[in-house]
Amino acid sequence: GIQVEQSPPDLILQEGANSTLRCNFSDSVNNLQWFHQNPWGQLINLFYIPSGTKQNGRLSATTVATERYSLLYISSSQTTDSGVYFCAVIRDTDKLIFGTGTRLQVFP
Amino acid sequence: DADVTQTPRNRITKTGKRIMLECSQTKGHDRMYWYRQDPGLGLRLIYYSFDVKDINKGEISDGYSVSRQAQAKFSLSLESAIPNQTALYFCATRDDGTDTQYFGPGTRLTVL
Repeated sequence: GIQVEQSPPDLILQEGANSTLRCNFSDSVNNLQWFHQNPWGQLINLFYIPSGTKQNGRLSATTVATERYSLLYISSSQTTDSGVYFCAVIRDTDKLIFGTGTRLQVFP
Repeated sequence: DADVTQTPRNRITKTGKRIMLECSQTKGHDRMYWYRQDPGLGLRLIYYSFDVKDINKGEISDGYSVSRQAQAKFSLSLESAIPNQTALYFCATRDDGTDTQYFGPGTRLTVL
């Protein structure tokens, strides 16, 4: 089946820093989503981005489908950005396949 | 997402007990999903449903069953709970127009 790898697995930042999270996938996909899981366990949709670039406030994402990767950019990080960031893909079926996540900790 | 609700939010039970986790949505989506998340890992799909008459097994369906009572309701049952079913369980819906999945707040289940 399709493999989804995220890097780095852990990231520690000081408030105000910028960061880039990467998601690599092993085959072509129909759908790619980025999620943020906050420290209370809630999963929050960030982007639906099978290709191209999208921005939402301090967050933006770019997917290069032909090269099988997606990037999530966080600018001017805040402590509330802490948590785990997942990318998830769908290929031929209806099933979202999740990566193992990037754990982000932002300190004041 | 407040449009997808799960009950209970937390549950502690004993080995061998039957447990039902409930999910309701007000989004009007036909497709609904149950996932589990183990510590330090991503989510894995247990069951999914395209509508009330169409239910499909996911990658880890053994030990679980589901019921789609209505478009808005999708329940997950553990017939005889075991400790390795201790996990965080998420329900989700999918918007067919945008392909986006929306997740409930999760149910933290502990099986002793």
